[in-house]
Amino acid sequence: EIVLTQSPGTLSLSPGERATLSCRASQSVSSSYLAWYQQKPGQAPRLLIYGASSRATGIPDRFSGSGSGTDFTLTISRLEPEDFAVYYCQQYGSSLVYTFGQGTKLEIK
Amino acid sequence: QVQLQESGPGLVKPSQTLSLTCTVSGGSISSGDYYWSWIRQPPGKGLEWIGYIYYSGSTYYNPSLKSRVTISVDTSKNQFSLKLSSVTAADTAVYYCARLEESVASYFDYWGQGTLVTVSS
Repeated sequence: EIVLTQSPGTLSLSPGERATLSCRASQSVSSSYLAWYQQKPGQAPRLLIYGASSRATGIPDRFSGSGSGTDFTLTISRLEPEDFAVYYCQQYGSSLVYTFGQGTKLEIK
Repeated sequence: QVQLQESGPGLVKPSQTLSLTCTVSGGSISSGDYYWSWIRQPPGKGLEWIGYIYYSGSTYYNPSLKSRVTISVDTSKNQFSLKLSSVTAADTAVYYCARLEESVASYFDYWGQGTLVTVSS
């Protein structure tokens, strides 16, 4: 089973700053099978990015995804107050199991 | 706009079977374009995929839960269901149903609001 490790565990930034979140896989992941989600307290996760770099419908262009192989990145170019949440990466791989990273909490500094 | 809604008991006793249903509106499970999944999240922890079902009834489960999980579909009601047997406190979690896209890429694009199931006597 592919393990996804997200870093940092917590990221403290101010509105207007740039956020860079990392997701590292224990084995190579096809870019088609890497997605990112945002989760706010008491809510279900919301799809942000699929196929490593494609924005989901309605997602602002300040969110972008990149990477390949074992290293993937979610970037938020200029943080808005509503962006402070927990972010998860998710993959589907050769083990035929969908797995999620442990999450990165983006908090207001 | 596709919407998913979980329903079922919020409290289950240890060793019993957890049963939840997901009702889909705004789209047909029978369209065959998607898979229909269950995902859970223990309080304060991360997400765990449980399994999925296709409208035809074919299923695939997380090997870590496979021996205890059954997912079924009722296309006439546009619903799919989860049964998890022999539950323990470790199964306490928010359970989400979600739509799984698998055509070009793989991702969960629509989610229910989630339902908390507590396992306790």
